[in-house]
Amino acid sequence: QVQLQESGPGLVKPSQTLSLTCTVSGGSVSSSNYYWNWIRQPAGEGLEWIGRIYARGTPNYNPSLENRVTISTDTSKNQFSLKVSSVTAADTAVYYCSRGGPGYSNWFDHWGKGTLVTVSS
Amino acid sequence: DIQMTQSPSSLSASVGDRVTITCRASQSIDKYVNWYKQTPGKAPELLIYSASTLQSGVPSRFSGSGSGTDFTLTISSLQPEDYAIYFCQQSHSAPLTFGGGTKVDI
Repeated sequence: QVQLQESGPGLVKPSQTLSLTCTVSGGSVSSSNYYWNWIRQPAGEGLEWIGRIYARGTPNYNPSLENRVTISTDTSKNQFSLKVSSVTAADTAVYYCSRGGPGYSNWFDHWGKGTLVTVSS
Repeated sequence: DIQMTQSPSSLSASVGDRVTITCRASQSIDKYVNWYKQTPGKAPELLIYSASTLQSGVPSRFSGSGSGTDFTLTISSLQPEDYAIYFCQQSHSAPLTFGGGTKVDI
């Protein structure tokens, strides 16, 4: 059973860079069959897809964040990571990592528990 | 971007009721719609993908239908554990987008 776990600072100062890591167990980020995604959810609001990465492929980002977002993988640690630069209070949210469905499907069948990131001085 | 509009935004129902939630896409997306359930403090859980395919382990009282721009999630007989927020999501093209959610409560 695939499991994902987000980790990283829960508090980030405005204008700094938010950095999160997702550790995958029971599956491999090197697998050529799946997208690995980041999604966020501000408190009491809906879900926003941030972007995705896949083995030996170019990351795809939501244009709403594209200039500030970087997603990468560390295959040696079976992890993938998210960086969001120049954060503001609007970036405060629960951040989820998730796996896409098989065959590079664009649904999300496995999710981490989520981690709250607050942007505040 | 493809906009996904869910209705209603909230509804009240009793155990045993049949519940229907709709999702409309801003353009035709064939059957590229997926449905999720989220309970407070938890990550969303995939219920249905490709408009009508039940994810493994999901009770059969959940069903999905539709194609093109109009989609429906139906709970045939609402159970206490079904009180939650439900989201649709389009997987037709990036950026992947979600509906605003439907809260189902008593």
